[in-house]
Parts: sequence; structure tokens; C-alpha cells
Amino acid sequence: DAKTTQPPSMDCAEGRAANLPCNHSTISGNEYVYWYRQIHSQGPQYIIHGLKNNETNEMASLIITEDRKSSTLILPHATLRDTAVYYCIVSPAFQGAQKLVFGQGTRLTINP
Amino acid sequence: DGGITQSPKYLFRKEGQNVTLSCEQNLNHDAMYWYRQDPGQGLRLIYYSQIVNDFQKGDIAEGYSVSREKKESFPLTVTSAQKNPTAFYLCASRRESAGGLFFGEGSRLTVL
Repeated sequence: DAKTTQPPSMDCAEGRAANLPCNHSTISGNEYVYWYRQIHSQGPQYIIHGLKNNETNEMASLIITEDRKSSTLILPHATLRDTAVYYCIVSPAFQGAQKLVFGQGTRLTINP
Repeated sequence: DGGITQSPKYLFRKEGQNVTLSCEQNLNHDAMYWYRQDPGQGLRLIYYSQIVNDFQKGDIAEGYSVSREKKESFPLTVTSAQKNPTAFYLCASRRESAGGLFFGEGSRLTVL
């Protein structure tokens, strides 16, 4: 079973920041939070991951709450090409192959 | 360029036939995964493998088989025992440390 909970859908205006929440209240101390996105009929794309500190890369920022029970993926200036399904998963990092379980994700629609 | 290659991209088969989906990676990743995705649904884990000659069942392994004879290759066989094989199949790989999953472009199987 997926260990994360996400809203099924969200809308955002083009050019605005898109903030996608994820609840992972049962996260363990050695588990990272990973975000992926999937554009229709393509393989998912890795976006970002983090353990407890906030992270930023060229695609997005990841804000993890101090208790690590939830996180937010931020797309700072959303474009139409950011329309996709976004998945949040949790996983230990240093134990080889893990049973990585994806939930239903959030369908983000960027509106012109 | 390094990446994951899945083939074929589209495949049609008759009921009762086995079919093998290819997944090859040149990323030197240790762990490899197979997921299934049905329309409008998230990803469901079929099998995963950490090292050569070792693999574990995921949540929906019935009717599927895999092998891991080489680090670079993780083929999936959809057998005639799989009751609803029509789906989008995704292969992924991951290095040992805290990295994200890299996905292939997927194979779409249709059973006629």
C-alpha cells in the first residue's frame, strides 16, 4: 500500500507557483521523500528528493515540515508543459532495491 | 547517452500467448523494477531486483515472471496466466545510494 496521500487534482494559472502537498505521516527516520511526474503516456520523470532539509534544483523546490509528516513540491513559475500527474513516494535510500509503491498521484492542470 | 530502453513500444498479442518485454539499462544501476499502469490509475509494482540472479515479487506478481541474468537487463514475461494483461508496462532502475528512479518510455501491451 502507498504510504503517501495526495489530493487527486489541482489547477494552477500559468506563470504562478504551483504548490503540491503530500502527506506521509508514517514516514520512518531513514526514509526519503521523492517526487516524480508523468506526462500522458510517457514514463515518469524524477523531479527531486529530500530527507529533512528543504531542497531546490532546476526543476522545483521541496519543502519538508519539521516533523517530516508532510511535504510540498513547489514549481515556482508553472508553464503549460508542467501539466502532468505528480507522484510523491517515500523510500529508504541505502538498502538496495526497495518495494517502491506509488499512489494515485495529483493531476496538475496548468491553465493559460 | 545513458538511459533505459524498453521494447517494443507497442505490442499486440492473442489470448493464451506469452509475451516478453525487454528492459535494458546502461546506467550501471543495481536495482531494477517493473510496474504496471492501467488507464487513469497509478503505478503498481510487479517485480523488482537488487542484484543479478535475485528478484522479489511486488504487489501484483501473479501471471508474470522475470529474470536478472545480467546487471543491464531485466526482461518481463507476461504469461497466459495473467487474467488482464492489457496495460502500460514501465521499467525503472535506480543506483544503490539515495537516487531517484529512472524510467523507460514504457511498453503498451494489448491483448486481442
